[in-house]
Amino acid sequence: GQQLNQSPQSMFIQEGEDVSMNCTSSSIFNTWLWYKQDPGEGPVLLIALYKAGELTSNGRLTAQFGITRKDSFLNISASIPSDVGIYFCAGPNDYKLSFGAGTTVTVRA
Amino acid sequence: GAVVSQHPSRVICKSGTSVKIECRSLDFQATTMFWYRQFPKQSLMLMATSNEGSKATYEQGVEKDKFLINHASLTLSTLTVTSAHPEDSSFYICSARDVAGGQETQYFGPGTRLLVL
Repeated sequence: GQQLNQSPQSMFIQEGEDVSMNCTSSSIFNTWLWYKQDPGEGPVLLIALYKAGELTSNGRLTAQFGITRKDSFLNISASIPSDVGIYFCAGPNDYKLSFGAGTTVTVRA
Repeated sequence: GAVVSQHPSRVICKSGTSVKIECRSLDFQATTMFWYRQFPKQSLMLMATSNEGSKATYEQGVEKDKFLINHASLTLSTLTVTSAHPEDSSFYICSARDVAGGQETQYFGPGTRLLVL
């Protein structure tokens, strides 16, 4: 499907730091989904956003649905080693998912 | 969240044989499931959309006779890789579309690692 523009592509962070990544699109989405994928596993849904302007938290994760409906960001606060992985944004586009290219997060202890 | 399972998690087969992978939505009904393929360090590539009770729709470049999809019930879709060859070795992931309460979400299975010798 259509690619979403996700940045950064990768990041190295210190344990305890906050992490932020975002996705943008040239098209409007009615839903934004954030997933995390660990090596050798399928993506796991972290947060689902359904309303423009919505700010939703899941533990140390916070995500927002941009008011233009063309962007979303994901924040991870106080990162820990198990936050390592690849984070994908996604949005349904005519029921198929469009994906961002992913943000690879590596945490330095 | 909802749970999607895949079986087997890992399979090794000889070239020329067929392999069937199952995808089940465990706690919700899914009229639509999706099959993806993922190469190392790359994003998921959609192969086909599996529709309960009707034929699957395939993405451009995906051979429907090579990758047979059957979605016989609201909780089960199967992908059969026919006459597998080493280039079919990959990580195959399914997802199931959940539209409960009018809100659309997709839940992914844990993936199946296929190695064709």
